[in-house]
Amino acid sequence: GDSVTQMEGPVTLSEEAFLTINCTYTATGYPSLFWYVQYPGEGLQLLLKATKADDKGSNKGFEATYRKETTSFHLEKGSVQVSDSAVYFCALKTSYDKVIFGPGTSLSVIP
Amino acid sequence: DGGITQSPKYLFRKEGQNVTLSCEQNLNHDAMYWYRQDPGQGLRLIYYSQIVNDFQKGDIAEGYSVSREKKESFPLTVTSAQKNPTAFYLCASSIDQWGYEQYFGPGTRLTVT
Repeated sequence: GDSVTQMEGPVTLSEEAFLTINCTYTATGYPSLFWYVQYPGEGLQLLLKATKADDKGSNKGFEATYRKETTSFHLEKGSVQVSDSAVYFCALKTSYDKVIFGPGTSLSVIP
Repeated sequence: DGGITQSPKYLFRKEGQNVTLSCEQNLNHDAMYWYRQDPGQGLRLIYYSQIVNDFQKGDIAEGYSVSREKKESFPLTVTSAQKNPTAFYLCASSIDQWGYEQYFGPGTRLTVT
């Protein structure tokens, strides 16, 4: 079945460091891909999305490119801030099935 | 402001009691969802509803029940049959019936002792 794999956390970075959170997927067909963010004690918020191969989603300085050849959707940010500390979920959705969420990657940014 | 409201934020119950979690949305979305989140795990789908008066079981529906009598409301009942009910429960909605882009409420943390 469809699945999403994320790098294990927690990830701890210093402020202004470069961030990469790896996400790979297995899916039948051509899924849409998403990154959601969950701040402490809150629900999830959609951060960015990409609906077809080679699309780049971007928001709030975060970017991710839909790579069909490597079945990946890695999240990147050039300079993280303390306020980026949260749990990040990679997710996919195909036309015939529910949204599949990865296990989440916890990010802590220290000043 | 449009959004999804879940109440209460924290809920405590004794084992053997049924408890109902509230979820209301004023986004005029057709579809609504209930997820369970446990520490270190992703979200697991409990129930979803694509339209009023209709709902479907998700991956872990045993011990839970829902209703969808109004478009705005999708309450979840955690019954005494749920073996391990302590968790963080998230309600979501999507503008389309297929759930491509979901909007989440703030969650309810249920503790059963």
